[in-house]
Amino acid sequence: NAGVTQTPKFQVLKTGQSMTLQCAQDMNHNSMYWYRQDPGMGLRLIYYSASEGTTDKGEVPNGYNVSRLNKREFSLRLESAAPSQTSVYFCASSDWSGGVNQPQHFGDGTRLSIL
Amino acid sequence: AQSVTQPDIHITVSEGASLELRCNYSYGATPYLFWYVQSPGQGLQLLLKYFSGDTLVQGIKGFEAEFKRSQSSFNLRKPSVHWSDAAEYFCAVGSQAAGNKLTFGGGTRVLVKP
Repeated sequence: NAGVTQTPKFQVLKTGQSMTLQCAQDMNHNSMYWYRQDPGMGLRLIYYSASEGTTDKGEVPNGYNVSRLNKREFSLRLESAAPSQTSVYFCASSDWSGGVNQPQHFGDGTRLSIL
Repeated sequence: AQSVTQPDIHITVSEGASLELRCNYSYGATPYLFWYVQSPGQGLQLLLKYFSGDTLVQGIKGFEAEFKRSQSSFNLRKPSVHWSDAAEYFCAVGSQAAGNKLTFGGGTRVLVKP
């Protein structure tokens, strides 16, 4: 039972390069999320997708784009990477059950360094 | 806007001693509250959640948390800490109205002394 799978696990980029972070979940969840984690700031929401075919901005969307490719997959793209985007990126998913949104399940993260 | 404050950045506790991690939230509507734990190099694992009902909730690994609406708090406790509890702990708030978007606190890193 894989849960939420993120690829790659590590990546180093040069300023200005582009990259897509991949996320897939096998729990048939409707909602998916992208967060970034920086020291002392917890996790901050970049973008989310409440259901297949929809995406919305979170707290820190600038410099990122997302694609909800299908129900399983939600990718995050950096078009022109900047050093300020050096961070650990987490993908999460959740679903609706029993009349409430259930807790989010997280992947193991992608550690991204931009030089 | 919702917000979460974890006042303690680091806590050091001796193995076998009790642990309490503080969490204060700000949210106008009825919140959903969560505690997650993160071991080094890993993702976040859910410890426990509060949606409604009994304000004392039990979680995995012997943790519990108490929701106090009057104090806007959701503190995490464990009676006796094990060395394996060394990790970073995050409190988070969400709600139905917010579409299950979570707002996280800055985290508390717990160190366990032998």
